[in-house]
Amino acid sequence: SQQGEEDPQALSIQEGENATMNCSYKTSINNLQWYRQNSGRGLVHLILIRSNEREKHSGRLRVTLDTSKKSSSLLITASRAADTASYFCATDAQDSSYKLIFGSGTRLLVRP
Amino acid sequence: DTEVTQTPKHLVMGMTNKKSLKCEQHMGHRAMYWYKQKAKKPPELMFVYSYEKLSINESVPSRFSPECPNSSLLNLHLHALQPEDSALYLCASSQEGGVGGFTGELFFGEGSRLTVL
Repeated sequence: SQQGEEDPQALSIQEGENATMNCSYKTSINNLQWYRQNSGRGLVHLILIRSNEREKHSGRLRVTLDTSKKSSSLLITASRAADTASYFCATDAQDSSYKLIFGSGTRLLVRP
Repeated sequence: DTEVTQTPKHLVMGMTNKKSLKCEQHMGHRAMYWYKQKAKKPPELMFVYSYEKLSINESVPSRFSPECPNSSLLNLHLHALQPEDSALYLCASSQEGGVGGFTGELFFGEGSRLTVL
């Protein structure tokens, strides 16, 4: 079952621009995570934000979480061609902390 | 060592074959996972092992049989698969801890790409 929906499904930007991806989910969560996947490769963890946090930064990444709206956003600033990848949000339901469910994903293309 | 190693990287099998996918981690993680991912789709959870015991089976068909021989190894035994089972199979592990178990990030392997003819 899919917990999160992401938009946009695909995003194409110029190098140096900012990229914003949004994630909405359905049930109460303990935390929300963002992962990156290069084509055909494994997923790499980017950042985790707990349900009692509203904003978190890591390098060029900024994540916000609004639990009242059940939504999160990932902002990548000053994008680079190497940021081209698929980005997934993932949530663990409060009733099952092992059950990390991924959103539908956003495919980001950063043009040089 | 922060790696999860999956073998084989590619596997082609017929519908009557029996094969296995293997996953290994040496990070001391006590939760291990199998996900299935079709092209341009998100990973879908299949199985979760916690302390070498199966804790979650997401109603996966019995032609997929997981096994956790020890805390470092996770296998997925495949038998009588269908062409629609062709996908990227991802193994992951996570650190156990605290009440409620799961504490944070999953570490993924590079996946095993399975083609069923």
